[in-house]
Amino acid sequence: DIQMTQSPSSLSASVGDRVTITCRTSQRIGTYLNWYQQKPGKAPNLLIYAASSLQSGVPSRFSGSGSGTDFTLTISSLQPEDFATYYCQQSYIMPLTFGGGTKVEIK
Amino acid sequence: EVQLVDSGGGLVQPGGSLRLSCVASGFNFRDSTMSWVRQAPGKGLEWVSTFNYGSGNTYYADSAKGRFIISRDISKNTLYLEMNSLRDDDTAVYYCAKVGSPPHGDYWAVWGKGSTVTVSS
Repeated sequence: DIQMTQSPSSLSASVGDRVTITCRTSQRIGTYLNWYQQKPGKAPNLLIYAASSLQSGVPSRFSGSGSGTDFTLTISSLQPEDFATYYCQQSYIMPLTFGGGTKVEIK
Repeated sequence: EVQLVDSGGGLVQPGGSLRLSCVASGFNFRDSTMSWVRQAPGKGLEWVSTFNYGSGNTYYADSAKGRFIISRDISKNTLYLEMNSLRDDDTAVYYCAKVGSPPHGDYWAVWGKGSTVTVSS
């Protein structure tokens, strides 16, 4: 199985900050990497697919990059509604696996 | 509007069974690959199972293999997850989700609100 390591597991940031979350995979997966946002009590919401493609309706302050084993989700200017938990997920091979999550909290 | 409405969760004793349902609307269910993803209380996301519409193949996480069965009824636009021999660690919110467009592998752009399954005596 492909292991997904997200870092950090949590972070505190202020509105307007630039935030970067990283995801490392245990084997190369090309660009088969996706990012989700989840708020408490809600279903996950797809932000980025194929490492860098912005899902329709997602604000442009979210961006993704990377290929192979190292990937990054960036929020260019953190907004109040962005405080949530973020997960990466590989869609390269079964079993599909997620990172452990990064909780973004208000500083 | 594209929508998934999942239901069927509840309290069940260890060793018991439960069937989850997910009714789809607003898109071509027949030509859609669908999955179940779960989340234990306070934990992260875990993929459970996928039904591939093109091949008819089904896929399972090791934790579900041999105990869970994914299926669908096209006439009812409904996806199912039959869960047997339930264990305490199957306690979770179960989400049905629609796989996004190829060729980027299985990722999920549409999610149901989730159905809560509690396994406890």
